[in-house]
Order: sequence, then structure tokens, then C-alpha cells
Amino acid sequence: DGGITQSPKYLFRKEGQNVTLSCEQNLNHDAMYWYRQDPGQGLRLIYYSQIVNDFQKGDIAEGYSVSREKKESFPLTVTSAQKNPTAFYLCASSTFTGYEQYFGPGTRLTVT
Amino acid sequence: DQQVKQNSPSLSVQEGRISILNCDYTNSMFDYFLWYKKYPAEGPTFLISISSIKDKNEDGRFTVFLNKSAKHLSLHIVPSQPGDSAVYFCAASALGNQFYFGTGTSLTVIP
Repeated sequence: DGGITQSPKYLFRKEGQNVTLSCEQNLNHDAMYWYRQDPGQGLRLIYYSQIVNDFQKGDIAEGYSVSREKKESFPLTVTSAQKNPTAFYLCASSTFTGYEQYFGPGTRLTVT
Repeated sequence: DQQVKQNSPSLSVQEGRISILNCDYTNSMFDYFLWYKKYPAEGPTFLISISSIKDKNEDGRFTVFLNKSAKHLSLHIVPSQPGDSAVYFCAASALGNQFYFGTGTSLTVIP
């Protein structure tokens, strides 16, 4: 059963701590993405990766880091430098960039 | 600067009637457009797409119309059903690059 998994669904952290969000896909897609959604706002692109070992910053990359060591995996680290980390984070993948993206269920991160 | 805009934050429609969701964009290089449906606390689900070489694409109850000269697209849902109640996002990309998403329109279909 192909799809995208994100874990955990809910995540709580103390301010000042780094936290890593998991994203795995078994769709054999080359491109993967991380978005952030805040209340009343659209999806804003944090980072994306077109191939393994390569990734590009999106519109709001500051305070985030990613890695793409395997085709299936694209973890996102929310660092302590991110000023407003509390948000709903969505991972997506597509065959290539510019094609329909398929989304995971999301991770709700709360930082207090 | 928001390149893709959905100016109606919410829309209410009676069951069985037509729902029309609108989306405007500013970048004339956008050549591929998508619509997504999203339930609370879930990831968006892809609904329908349209490329700039077409002005209409249909899939069951869902039809997307593209007016390139007006930089406007719309999603028509006919007939609307209560299960269609969700937030709908449009997205646009240029030349195979990243997608830009609108802020979404919350559709409520009243039984």
C-alpha cells in the first residue's frame, strides 16, 4: 500500500530544543517537499528536494534544516533558531517537481 | 507577495447545488494548476489539475476552468454533497518548478 507517512502526528517540545520530523514515502517519487501551514494561511514551502543528496530552500527556510540521504526519506529538523515553530507541518512527494504532489497526514508541532 | 490568491475564505452551499471556488494568480508564467481538498488535521488530497494548454478539465462532479487572460481559475462541484465540506486549495507552478498555494476556501455544504 503506497503512500507517505509522517510521524508522530502530535509533537510537543520545549522552547530551545531542536526537533526532527519524520517523512517516509514508498511511492518511488524523486521529489519531496516540506510545507508549513498556519491558521488562515496557505501552505508555505520550507524545503524541497529533487533528488537524493540535493535540496533547495523554499520561501521560509530560516530556522529549518533537512537531509536527503535516501530516496524514501526526507526528515525536517526544526531548530531553536526558528522563531515561531508551532505549526502544522506537511510532507509531500511527487514524481518530479512540477507534478501533482501527494501529501502525508501531517505533524502538529507545539513548542512551549 | 502572494502569487496565488483565494479571496473568499469561506463559502456555504445547499446540498445538490453548485459550488464554485475561485482562484486568481499574478504570475503569467504559471502553466500548471492543481486543486486540493483538505480536512482538518489531515494532509491535502489531490483533486484535479489543468495545464495552460487547456481551458477546462472535468473529472466526475469536479470541473476546473482556466481563464489565462484573466489569470483566473475556478473549481465547480456539481452536485455538492455534505462530504465535500472541507478547505480547498488551489496551487500553481511555472515550468516544472515549485507550486505556490493559495490560502484556501472553506466550503460548507448544508444538508
